[in-house]
Amino acid sequence: QKEVEQNSGPLSVPEGAIASLNCTYSDRGSQSFFWYRQYSGKSPELIMSIYSNGDKEDGRFTAQLNKASQYVSLLIRDSQPSDSATYLCAVTDTGRRALTFGSGTRLQVQP
Amino acid sequence: DTAVSQTPKYLVTQMGNDKSIKCEQNLGHDTMYWYKQDSKKFLKIMFSYNNKELIINETVPNRFSPKSPDKAHLNLHINSLELGDSAVYFCASSQGWPQETQYFGPGTRLLVL
Repeated sequence: QKEVEQNSGPLSVPEGAIASLNCTYSDRGSQSFFWYRQYSGKSPELIMSIYSNGDKEDGRFTAQLNKASQYVSLLIRDSQPSDSATYLCAVTDTGRRALTFGSGTRLQVQP
Repeated sequence: DTAVSQTPKYLVTQMGNDKSIKCEQNLGHDTMYWYKQDSKKFLKIMFSYNNKELIINETVPNRFSPKSPDKAHLNLHINSLELGDSAVYFCASSQGWPQETQYFGPGTRLLVL
């Protein structure tokens, strides 16, 4: 059973701080990695995608991938209360045209 | 100009009833999906269609039957609804694989009483 593991949280950080969200996955053949944000009662929306080892930055968001360690993370700099949401890690499932999602980490940014 | 739309948004029904959820995407994508998100917020793939062809059929009860009349539409019919079917059902679409983003619809909140 291919798995994606995330700490459910809540992860609480003060406004302006860096939030660090982590994800590990079991499928060594996974090629693509995504971070989705889901506000309560809403649908998931893509924050970042990353396909190769290293860092990828987009505004306040940085995704980090280490395929050898089967680890992907998301850093949110200058966290804002509007960043409070559940962050879902998703990984491509080798051999299937599907994503496997983690159960999500709930982030709370305190004003 | 919603990219992925679903109807209805809310569905409250009695056990044993049959219901359908409709999904449409106007992004020109070739692949569409149905996901189920349970009360613990775990999002799990149910079905996937590529160019109207079923390519993923997870271990979902036979009571669930997807239908894709064309590339832009993917419907989900559920027979003999059970209490455990209560969840949020998301439709999604993407173009290309495996690097392309999946875009999600707003979700259908199903409550079986």
